Amino acid sequence: DAGVIQSPRHEVTEMGQEVTLRCKPISGHDYLFWYRQTMMRGLELLIYFNNNVPIDDSGMPEDRFSAKMPNASFSTLKIQPSEPRDSAVYFCASSLNRNNEQFFGPGTRLTVL
Amino acid sequence: DAKTTQPTSMDCAEGRAANLPCNHSTISGNEYVYWYRQIHSQGPQYIIHGLKNNETNEMASLIITEDRKSSTLILPHATLRDTAVYYCIVRVARSGNQFYFGTGTSLTVIP
Repeated sequence: DAGVIQSPRHEVTEMGQEVTLRCKPISGHDYLFWYRQTMMRGLELLIYFNNNVPIDDSGMPEDRFSAKMPNASFSTLKIQPSEPRDSAVYFCASSLNRNNEQFFGPGTRLTVL
Repeated sequence: DAKTTQPTSMDCAEGRAANLPCNHSTISGNEYVYWYRQIHSQGPQYIIHGLKNNETNEMASLIITEDRKSSTLILPHATLRDTAVYYCIVRVARSGNQFYFGTGTSLTVIP
């Protein structure tokens, strides 16, 4: 298995633009997580899904952020409109079930100018 | 929620054992201790986890005290590639499958 795949690896955009981050979890994993990492706040959980259903989105910063998982092999995290304070590395992770370890993707480095 | 306390940074000589401590004095009986590490510019990587007993795998050993209030991650023969930030996490079972990553310990392996 190729592991968790994220795209793009780097994204530079201007304030106000829409940004879409993509994630393909490991095949067969039932849980998918989106994290954000910044120097100031460290690694924060934004939202997670179980069997394509959002379970807890309490970490999503505000309405500008939305996440979907239309099927077991694909998820998106969208920011609209983007702001400079959204600049961070966004990680996607998946796990087999609730008790198993999470496998992280390589991350997407987002820069909002 | 059980919280963890780790030293901010540590150094270790190459080839020596690296012992990374973690305090989790408020841990509940059904909460596991997980260790992850993050090498610069990469995603976090799972290392090991345990509940009560000591655990060992190909990467490391996890020693959990009898009262479960603290644990130690042991890298038996540290290499330069082990330089990373190491996170000790207590899984909050009632919140589903969330992992709360603290600030971790920045381990530097010195040649």
